[in-house]
Amino acid sequence: QKEVEQNSGPLSVPEGAIASLNCTYSDRGSQSFFWYRQYSGKSPELIMFIYSNGDKEDGRFTAQLNKASQYVSLLIRDSQPSDSATYLCAVQAGSYQLTFGKGTKLSVIP
Amino acid sequence: SAVISQKPSRDICQRGTSLTIQCQVDSQVTMMFWYRQQPGQSLTLIATANQGSEATYESGFVIDKFPISRPNLTFSTLTVSNMSPEDSSIYLCSVDQGSKQYFGPGTRLTVT
Repeated sequence: QKEVEQNSGPLSVPEGAIASLNCTYSDRGSQSFFWYRQYSGKSPELIMFIYSNGDKEDGRFTAQLNKASQYVSLLIRDSQPSDSATYLCAVQAGSYQLTFGKGTKLSVIP
Repeated sequence: SAVISQKPSRDICQRGTSLTIQCQVDSQVTMMFWYRQQPGQSLTLIATANQGSEATYESGFVIDKFPISRPNLTFSTLTVSNMSPEDSSIYLCSVDQGSKQYFGPGTRLTVT
């Protein structure tokens, strides 16, 4: 059974700090990896995706992938209170189907 | 990315009744998906809906309970049948564009 694990949090960081969100997955055949941000009462919003080992940067967000360790992470630099949300890690293996983790709740303290 | 709308945005229904949720996309998409997100939980895929074929249901979900229609490339419906309080959840449709999935705003269903 495919599993995606995330620390549920809450993860609290001060404003301006780096928030580090982690995710591990069980299926070695996984090929695509996604990070969604979900504000309370809202639907998930795709913020990052990564397909290859290494880092991918987009503005204040960096996704990191290590397929050998079956590990993907999301770094948020210069964290803002508006970044406070639940971050969902999703993994795709071959088909279109996504397997989601339970999410990490991030709280950025002003 | 595609603009996705859902109707209704929320509803309160009595047990034993059925509710049909609509999902409309502003562009043609091959694959649409229906998810459920129970309170405090992550997303669970209910089924995949391709135009012109029967929906494919995930383990634990059956067509009699969650019938799905996909009449064209921009529209789909999910019906939650014979509802019980355990069906109280947020129901989300999503679409695949460029091998990435984008979500609609969701339908918050409460069954009393």
